[in-house]
Amino acid sequence: DVKVTQSSRYLVKRTGEKVFLECVQDMDHENMFWYRQDPGLGLRLIYFSYDVKMKEKGDIPEGYSVSREKKERFSLILESASTNQTSMYLCASSFSGRSYRGEQPQHFGDGTRLSIL
Amino acid sequence: DQQVKQNSPSLSVQEGRISILNCDYTNSMFDYFLWYKKYPAEGPTFLISISSIKDKNEDGRFTVFLNKSAKHLSLHIVPSQPGDSAVYFCAAIRRNTDKLIFGTGTRLQVFP
Repeated sequence: DVKVTQSSRYLVKRTGEKVFLECVQDMDHENMFWYRQDPGLGLRLIYFSYDVKMKEKGDIPEGYSVSREKKERFSLILESASTNQTSMYLCASSFSGRSYRGEQPQHFGDGTRLSIL
Repeated sequence: DQQVKQNSPSLSVQEGRISILNCDYTNSMFDYFLWYKKYPAEGPTFLISISSIKDKNEDGRFTVFLNKSAKHLSLHIVPSQPGDSAVYFCAAIRRNTDKLIFGTGTRLQVFP
């Protein structure tokens, strides 16, 4: 069974802090994704990575960066946290080239609820 | 620009009845459509998908219907159970990409 693990379930940080959210998957997936979920807005893609050291911007990358030094680990970085980044953050992973054939859909972690004070 | 829309933020259904969740999309380049279910404090879990070349896919109590001409899909749950109470997200995949585009979600409540 695929397991996507996010390092923290709940996190409280202060405005201006640099924040790291970590995600690890154990299924040798090439693709990894970071989303945020906000009421009334659904899940919005922040960044994704299709290989080690590769990354692409999603729909809302401003204020975020990512790091993928190893295949199983994908980190989301809030360079200088702001209150409008208070949200639920979800990490997902999938095999490359299979999602769009309806195979092996993205698997999600349980999320990190981040509060910026 | 919301390419995948779920216009009903919430739906309340009696146990044993049919639940119908709707989703509209604007991009004709979508190849696959998926439904995810999400409980509070958990990540979304995949429920069912449908290819754009089909008009129906069934898995137990869950059936997804696709109407390409109307750019509309729906998820039917029959019979509905209290454990189905969750937020349901519709998602679409554009041709030759691995990125999902999600709708805003519909909160389903199934009451006894």
